[in-house]
Amino acid sequence: DTGVSQNPRHKITKRGQNVTFRCDPISEHNRLYWYRQTLGQGPEFLTYFQNEAQLEKSRLLSDRFSAERPKGSFSTLEIQRTEQGDSAMYLCASSRLAPGSNEQFFGPGTRLTVL
Amino acid sequence: KQEVTQIPAALSVPEGENLVLNCSFTDSAIYNLQWFRQDPGKGLTSLLLIQSSQREQTSGRLNASLDKSSGRSTLYIAASQPGDSATYLCAVVFNNAGNMLTFGGGTRLMVKP
Repeated sequence: DTGVSQNPRHKITKRGQNVTFRCDPISEHNRLYWYRQTLGQGPEFLTYFQNEAQLEKSRLLSDRFSAERPKGSFSTLEIQRTEQGDSAMYLCASSRLAPGSNEQFFGPGTRLTVL
Repeated sequence: KQEVTQIPAALSVPEGENLVLNCSFTDSAIYNLQWFRQDPGKGLTSLLLIQSSQREQTSGRLNASLDKSSGRSTLYIAASQPGDSATYLCAVVFNNAGNMLTFGGGTRLMVKP
């Protein structure tokens, strides 16, 4: 399977704990995006990488959230001191860098439940 | 504020009907527009991408149109089938918003056999 993969698919944690999610993009894609989706809503942009550089961060990304893409391949999203309001589906997407070829392809998501 | 709106939020049709899903956006300066399908509890599947210079794109029974001047896009589904039941999301890359997608709230479609 050459699509975007995310792990874990589900995560249940207690309030105050730290969690980390991983995203593996399509291999030739330079750009990687993180979005968050709550029930019944469309996804909201969190952050975006071009290769290993984090180029944009949403105001939604509080100080408790940090994302990395150390070698320009996979990415991790960490949430520290989780709160119940962090419960959501976290979606990763990737796209090519070439102009006119920026169609974004999404992974299956990681569903986070904070108790 | 740049926003994307989808109306209706939910739609139920009998099998075989042709249907149109609507998407509107507040700023005509867009880079592209993408339509997605999402099944319950799953990720998003890209259906069609329309660049700002294009007026429409077709894939099988799906046809998406783009009218930038009026800030509208439509997704036309021909001869709907129960397997088309899902949530359909419209998303826009605005020119001054980097490469982020701004999503509408989606239209939840149910096709009844």
